[in-house]
Amino acid sequence: DGGITQSPKYLFRKEGQNVTLSCEQNLNHDAMYWYRQDPGQGLRLIYYSQIVNDFQKGDIAEGYSVSREKKESFPLTVTSAQKNPTAFYLCASRGSLETQYFGPGTRLLVL
Amino acid sequence: GQQVMQIPQYQHVQEGEDFTTYCNSSTTLSNIQWYKQRPGGHPVFLIQLVKSGEVKKQKRLTFQFGEAKKNSSLHITATQTTDVGTYFCAGNQYNFNKFYFGSGTKLNVKP
Repeated sequence: DGGITQSPKYLFRKEGQNVTLSCEQNLNHDAMYWYRQDPGQGLRLIYYSQIVNDFQKGDIAEGYSVSREKKESFPLTVTSAQKNPTAFYLCASRGSLETQYFGPGTRLLVL
Repeated sequence: GQQVMQIPQYQHVQEGEDFTTYCNSSTTLSNIQWYKQRPGGHPVFLIQLVKSGEVKKQKRLTFQFGEAKKNSSLHITATQTTDVGTYFCAGNQYNFNKFYFGSGTKLNVKP
């Protein structure tokens, strides 16, 4: 099965804790993206990566970090510096046809 | 900076009525994409428009890209309950690696 997966589906974060959201794709796509979606709102870009070992800040990168050590993987860490992390996090990948394929998402909640 | 505005925010229609959502960009776009997100789900790609004045149809859905490549619309004829969800546009400003999403239009269809 080809696709993009995210885990976990739900994640709970305590105050002052860093948490990492997983995103894996087996579509052989070069570009990968992380978006944040708040209730009733659109998608805001956190980070994106065009190629392995390279990534760029999006519009709301503060309090987040990423890595791209492998083509298939683009994990997102929500650090303690992100004061309002409760949201739905969506990972996407894109091949040469420009279509973005989204994973099922991770809902992050603060305890 | 780049902005993509989308209206209306919500639309409630009776099954069989038509529905339209509009996107406007503050700058000229190289292309625009449309996505549908079902309740509790993730965005799914519908279509991409590239050419000035382009019109594309998918069954009951009609997509248009303005002559100036700054606006776009999605029209659904004779809505069905399966059309329920949030429709997003995403504009790309001659940078294939970064997309700006509209805030979405949430469509509710009453049977």
